[in-house]
Amino acid sequence: GEDVEQSLFLSVREGDSSVINCTYTDSSSTYLYWYKQEPGAGLQLLTYIFSNMDMKQDQRLTVLLNKKDKHLSLRIADTQTGDSAIYFCAERPNSGYSTLTFGKGTMLLVSP
Amino acid sequence: EAGVAQSPRYKIIEKRQSVAFWCNPISGHATLYWYQQILGQGPKLLIQFQNNGVVDDSQLPKDRFSAERLKGVDSTLKIQPAKLEDSAMYLCASSLATNTEAFFGQGTRLTVV
Repeated sequence: GEDVEQSLFLSVREGDSSVINCTYTDSSSTYLYWYKQEPGAGLQLLTYIFSNMDMKQDQRLTVLLNKKDKHLSLRIADTQTGDSAIYFCAERPNSGYSTLTFGKGTMLLVSP
Repeated sequence: EAGVAQSPRYKIIEKRQSVAFWCNPISGHATLYWYQQILGQGPKLLIQFQNNGVVDDSQLPKDRFSAERLKGVDSTLKIQPAKLEDSAMYLCASSLATNTEAFFGQGTRLTVV
């Protein structure tokens, strides 16, 4: 089965870049997602990448994928205090009725 | 476009009581999911519907949890009787199909005392 691991906590200063890391285990073709969760709220889809891609950029967000090491990262450029939240990496195999498997989340704290 | 709607936002009940949560997915989304998120953990899938049929309920504690999606649109999740360890955020999500991205509602925060 799938297993998704994340670093638990990251603290950065406003204006710096943040890099949140994730590893996954599924060996078949898969979709990898990044979700953001603010306190007491649901999950907001930020971006996703398919496992045949190396990189995807969307405004301040850059996703990098190392397929050999099954390592995924989310880089947030010019991090703002509003980016403080928990970030979840999730994996969904590209087969049949597959489901999302989430990591435990990385808490990002941005200080002024 | 309206997002996934859930109600209530918060619920506090005593153990052994019953509770029900409601979800209205994004219009046209065939796939609906219920996730349980215990504090400090990632969401865990409870049940997945494709239209009004169940495609995965392997992690649903069927002795106390039940869910239905009549007419393939709205869904309800019920817990009867509730236990202390059921305290969690219950998230509903929907997607156009099983292999497209899922969008989440705001969740229902359940506290069992």
